[in-house]
Amino acid sequence: DAGVIQSPRHEVTEMGQEVTLRCKPISGHDYLFWYRQTMMRGLELLIYFNNNVPIDDSGMPEDRFSAKMPNASFSTLKIQPSEPRDSAVYFCASSVTQGAGEKLFFGSGTQLSVL
Amino acid sequence: TQLLEQSPQFLSIQEGENLTVYCNSSSVFSSLQWYRQEPGEGPVLLVTVVTGGEVKKLKRLTFQFGDARKDSSLHITAAQPGDTGLYLCAGDYGQNFVFGPGTRLSVLP
Repeated sequence: DAGVIQSPRHEVTEMGQEVTLRCKPISGHDYLFWYRQTMMRGLELLIYFNNNVPIDDSGMPEDRFSAKMPNASFSTLKIQPSEPRDSAVYFCASSVTQGAGEKLFFGSGTQLSVL
Repeated sequence: TQLLEQSPQFLSIQEGENLTVYCNSSSVFSSLQWYRQEPGEGPVLLVTVVTGGEVKKLKRLTFQFGDARKDSSLHITAAQPGDTGLYLCAGDYGQNFVFGPGTRLSVLP
């Protein structure tokens, strides 16, 4: 199995630009999670989907952030417009069950730098 | 306010030493997980503990879940440089997992 695939690995952009991060979950997994990791705040859950439907987006910082999952094999996280404080590593993770014993499989992350 | 606290925040030891890191909360978890994250990569699951008082071993790593299911510890015996990384605990609050801030471990040869 290829695991969770994220692209790009690195993104450098200027303040005000639109940024789109992409994720391909593990085939057969029905949960998909987007996390953001910074030194100050650690790993924070932004949003998660079950069977392509957004379940909880309470972690999305503000309206500049949006996420979609048009099908079981693809999800995007979009930031428009981007700001320097959005600089972080963004992780996508997928799992096949939820509850006790759930296993989260993480991608390698997208390192985002907003100048 | 962090739902999960981890200590110590940083730990630097020599190869061969033993160490214990802790994960604490005032909340009860239905399960708790430990992950290890290496630079430039995502966290990788090490273990899931479910039952209060449960002890699980993974080679030189021993994980314990507190009796009240509010805390956990990770003990490493005879640490090796390959154990270097960020150790994260994650508590299951029913809808999703919430991560602690992590313990950054450095094992020097």
